[in-house]
Amino acid sequence: GAGVSQTPSNKVTEKGKYVELRCDPISGHTALYWYRQSLGQGPEFLIYFQGTGAADDSGLPNDRFFAVRPEGSVSTLKIQRTERGDSAVYLCASSSGLAGGTQYFGPGTRLTVL
Amino acid sequence: GQQVMQIPQYQHVQEGEDFTTYCNSSTTLSNIQWYKQRPGGHPVFLIQLVKSGEVKKQKRLTFQFGEAKKNSSLHITATQTTDVGTYFCAGPGGSQGNLIFGKGTKLSVKP
Repeated sequence: GAGVSQTPSNKVTEKGKYVELRCDPISGHTALYWYRQSLGQGPEFLIYFQGTGAADDSGLPNDRFFAVRPEGSVSTLKIQRTERGDSAVYLCASSSGLAGGTQYFGPGTRLTVL
Repeated sequence: GQQVMQIPQYQHVQEGEDFTTYCNSSTTLSNIQWYKQRPGGHPVFLIQLVKSGEVKKQKRLTFQFGEAKKNSSLHITATQTTDVGTYFCAGPGGSQGNLIFGKGTKLSVKP
């Protein structure tokens, strides 16, 4: 079956602009996670959804970052007033929602802020 | 806060040599997961260990979970060029499900 998909695969934007990154999880997966990965680092947790609600948003670095999952499936990560330090690969993962369930990662969106 | 540390950061081996990466947590873990990320790719789940002292094997890969559930290791026997990539360990974070990743060990294999 289809895995986690993310669009766009690459996004180049200018400092100060607004961007939206989309994640389409595996069908039927209730849990969805956003991570950010900088070069040479492991994925860093941003936010976790269980269904439509954000169960844990403690990893969001500041209030410029926001994510939604209005229908419990597709999620959008929104970044306002982008900064050069936001440049990274943004990874989305989904799981069945059971505690400790395997997380399946999407291919990521590489965000470059000029 | 909780930290997961991995060593070494890089490992260069000749094809056929063995490879081991070590993972240590600052806190006791309910489970530990291992992921592999190929160059330019995304993390792919390899295995989850849950029990104290657990050992699991996948072909040439052997995973161990320490008795105190604070450390883990991944050992690859007779590396092949297909083993190239970065290996991450990850432990559960504060909420149900989010993971705390180590920085990974980048493995290169010289044919």
